[in-house]
Amino acid sequence: DTAVSQTPKYLVTQMGNDKSIKCEQNLGHDTMYWYKQDSKKFLKIMFSYNNKELIINETVPNRFSPKSPDKAHLNLHINSLELGDSAVYFCASSQDGADTQYFGPGTRLTVL
Amino acid sequence: GENVEQHPSTLSVQEGDSAVIKCTYSDSASNYFPWYKQELGKRPQLIIDIRSNVGEKKDQRIAVTLNKTAKHFSLHITETQPEDSAVYFCAAPPGGSYIPTFGRGTSLIVHP
Repeated sequence: DTAVSQTPKYLVTQMGNDKSIKCEQNLGHDTMYWYKQDSKKFLKIMFSYNNKELIINETVPNRFSPKSPDKAHLNLHINSLELGDSAVYFCASSQDGADTQYFGPGTRLTVL
Repeated sequence: GENVEQHPSTLSVQEGDSAVIKCTYSDSASNYFPWYKQELGKRPQLIIDIRSNVGEKKDQRIAVTLNKTAKHFSLHITETQPEDSAVYFCAAPPGGSYIPTFGRGTSLIVHP
C-alpha cells in the first residue's frame, strides 16, 4: 500500500506556464506538508496544512498556492513558472508536528 | 523560531569505521528528535528517533543520543557499510508547533 503518493514524478515545462502537483496520503494523518529540495539538498518547508487549515506559509512567492480539497489531499499549484523553480518537490504527512513525517516519492520539476 | 544546526555537511569514512553526525537546536520545548536517511534519487525516510524522556536509543548498528541540557543530539552509525552512503537529516520540531525544522543535511560517503 502506498502511504504518500504524488503525481507526476517528472514535470518538464516552459517558463511562464502554470502547473500542478497532486499529493494524497492514506495514513489518516492530520497534517500535510510541501517541501522544495534544490540541488544543494536542503529541505525547505513551503507549506503546512493541518485539518485543511494553513498553519505556516514560509517566504515563498505567491505564485505558489496549496489547495486541500480534503484531509487526505494537498495539491500544489504554481503559476508563471520561473527557471529558479526547478527542483524536487516533496509532499509529506504526519499525525502532528512532533511526529514522524512520511514523504512522497517526489516530483522533479524542470523549467526550461 | 527553532534553529537547527547540523555538522558535518560531508563525512567520508572507510567501510567498517564509525560515523557520527551532530545536531544542535535552540527551542528548549522541542521534545521529538528524528533522523531521516535519503538515498540518491529517493525520498527521505525515518531511520531512528528519540523523545525527550530518554537519553539514548539503539537499533542494530544505529543509535541516537540526546543531551537536553546542552540541546544537542547525535546519530551514531557503527560498522559502516557502502549502503549507508546517503544524505542524513536531523529534525527538531519546536514544541507545540507544526513547523518542521530540518538540519541542512550530512552527505555520508562510505568507501569500500
